[in-house]
This record gives sequence, C-alpha cells and structure tokens, in this order.
Amino acid sequence: GAVVSQHPSRVICKSGTSVKIECRSLDFQATTMFWYRQFPKKSLMLMATSNEGSKATYEQGVEKDKFLINHASLTLSTLTVTSAHPEDSSFYICSAARMGLGGDNEQFFGPGTRLTVL
Amino acid sequence: GQQLNQSPQSMFIQEGEDVSMNCTSSSIFNTWLWYKQDPGEGPVLLIALYKAGELTSNGRLTAQFGITRKDSFLNISASIPSDVGIYFCAGHPPGGGSNYKLTFGKGTLLTVNP
Repeated sequence: GAVVSQHPSRVICKSGTSVKIECRSLDFQATTMFWYRQFPKKSLMLMATSNEGSKATYEQGVEKDKFLINHASLTLSTLTVTSAHPEDSSFYICSAARMGLGGDNEQFFGPGTRLTVL
Repeated sequence: GQQLNQSPQSMFIQEGEDVSMNCTSSSIFNTWLWYKQDPGEGPVLLIALYKAGELTSNGRLTAQFGITRKDSFLNISASIPSDVGIYFCAGHPPGGGSNYKLTFGKGTLLTVNP
C-alpha cells in the first residue's frame, strides 16, 4: 500500500511554455500533498503544501503565480510550472500524506519528474 | 526554524560491512522517518519511528528514536551493492496533523564497493 505516482516522469520543453505535473495517490486518500524541488546532490526543498479543496500554502520565496497548484480530489494534485525558463529546470517530487501510527503524517513520495527547459 | 544535522555526508564501504548514520536536532521531534533515494527516483520510506527509545527493524535495517527525542540513527548490516543511494532522515515537530511539514536532513550518500 501507499503508492504514489507522478506523471510525466520526464519532460523537455521550450522556454516560455507551461508544464503540468500530476501526482496521484493510488491506494489511499491523501488530504494533504506536498511538492518538493530537488537540485543535484541536494536535499528536498519544500515548495508548497496542497490541501484538497483549498488553496495551497507556499513556502517563502516560492512564487505562487509561477508554480500553480491544484488539489482537485483526495487522490490528485497538479503542479503547473507557468512560462518555464531554464532556471526552472529541476527534479520535482510530490508526496502524499497518510496518518501514521503516531498521529503524525507519513509522507509517501512519487517517483519524481525531471523537467528540462531549453 | 528547526534543522536536522545528518552525518556522515558520504560513506564508501566494502560489501558486507555494517553502516551507521545518524541525525540530530536542536529541538524535539514526535516522529522520525528514514528514507532512501535511488538516482532519478523519489525517496522511499524505510522505517518510521513514533516513540522515544523505540527500536525498529526492517530486514537488514535497524533504526532507533533517541531517548531525548532529538536524535535518531539508522544501521545497515551486511551491506550489499543495491544499498547504494542517498539516505535521508526526516522528522515531525510536536503538534501532529496532516499539514505538518517534514524537516529533512541533508542526506548521507552511501557507496558500496563489491
């Protein structure tokens, strides 16, 4: 159990285009999903927290108009990188939260999406 | 904000050797999680710890939640080549709830020489 999928796994786009990344929890309902960005050989950097049916909460320094998040259902969240530029090239990873035994959430990660903007 | 200090940053070991890595925090955590990330993949949850002093095993992996609630370690016994990857510790501050963000360590890069 606790499988999270992400699509696409890899995308190459031209500068100025928008790219949508989907994150799905396949076998559980996730009221909260998280979006991370990871640079090579670095830890995960949280971008935003996404709650079903409400606006996402963005971390300081993350442009909400640049990274649009929609959490339409308990199993699906999407991240849209609008007007992508080469500096947006990165590895984007989502996670879906499920309540753990200790009362805190356990986060299960998707396989990631490698975005390359030319 | 809270920070996790994870060490070592990297390890180069021979196949068959045991490995130990740890994380320390400046403040207490309610939950400690250990993840492994393979290149080009998302992190995979290895072990979750919920109580101070808890010792949990998952195959060749053993992790403990420190008594002070400010540290945790992960041990890997009899390492094999497929253990290669980056290991992250992560923790939850007190308070709980699904909105609570994880704090991540910077990772330990493990290389296993056959």
